[in-house]
Amino acid sequence: ETGVTQTPRHLVMGMTNKKSLKCEQHLGHNAMYWYKQSAKKPLELMFVYSLEERVENNSVPSRFSPECPNSSHLFLHLHTLQPEDSALYLCASSQRLAGGEEVPETQYFGPGTRLLVL
Amino acid sequence: AQSVTQPDIHITVSEGASLELRCNYSYGATPYLFWYVQSPGQGLQLLLKYFSGDTLVQGIKGFEAEFKRSQSSFNLRKPSVHWSDAAEYFCAVGPYSGGSNYKLTFGKGTLLTVNP
Repeated sequence: ETGVTQTPRHLVMGMTNKKSLKCEQHLGHNAMYWYKQSAKKPLELMFVYSLEERVENNSVPSRFSPECPNSSHLFLHLHTLQPEDSALYLCASSQRLAGGEEVPETQYFGPGTRLLVL
Repeated sequence: AQSVTQPDIHITVSEGASLELRCNYSYGATPYLFWYVQSPGQGLQLLLKYFSGDTLVQGIKGFEAEFKRSQSSFNLRKPSVHWSDAAEYFCAVGPYSGGSNYKLTFGKGTLLTVNP
């Protein structure tokens, strides 16, 4: 496997279900991200993990719960979702430097999980 | 706050024609600019990026983009479009690595249709 992989690619769940999305990066990066992509809206950053610590949570509802057990894996646990949560969920990773010289941070994306909440 | 505007929601071009996708940004510091492409059912793939130096940046798949600071623009161009270029294109402005700002801000995207 290369790059960033996500499983499952498609998921249909009821509002009372509990499911998890998985992301794995094979790039040796130290930061991982969850984005939500809804139709006609810009990508929304949900969570950021840097060196396995959550550093940003953009006011995401608690029905979304991230987990980052190590620098290569990222999960998004889902429970009691709403129909408006139906979207494409994208995972990304990047290599963050310790500081000093400024270089742009490039994020590499997985193919996404298409989620439908009924 | 940083923001990105892609004025064109949908563009249709004929195969072999030239293409220009527009992107305007607002960013308080030195902008780091990206173009990503998303094919149907796929994630985002990086086409090119700019952060300093030559304002004309070459990317993959024959794409290029020109940074114009005076116009706050970073338009994407291709001289001859192929049918496989049909996809959605996203412009983004982002942080520098190691900074405290982690946010990569995307535009809403431009959907490109290519007619045979």
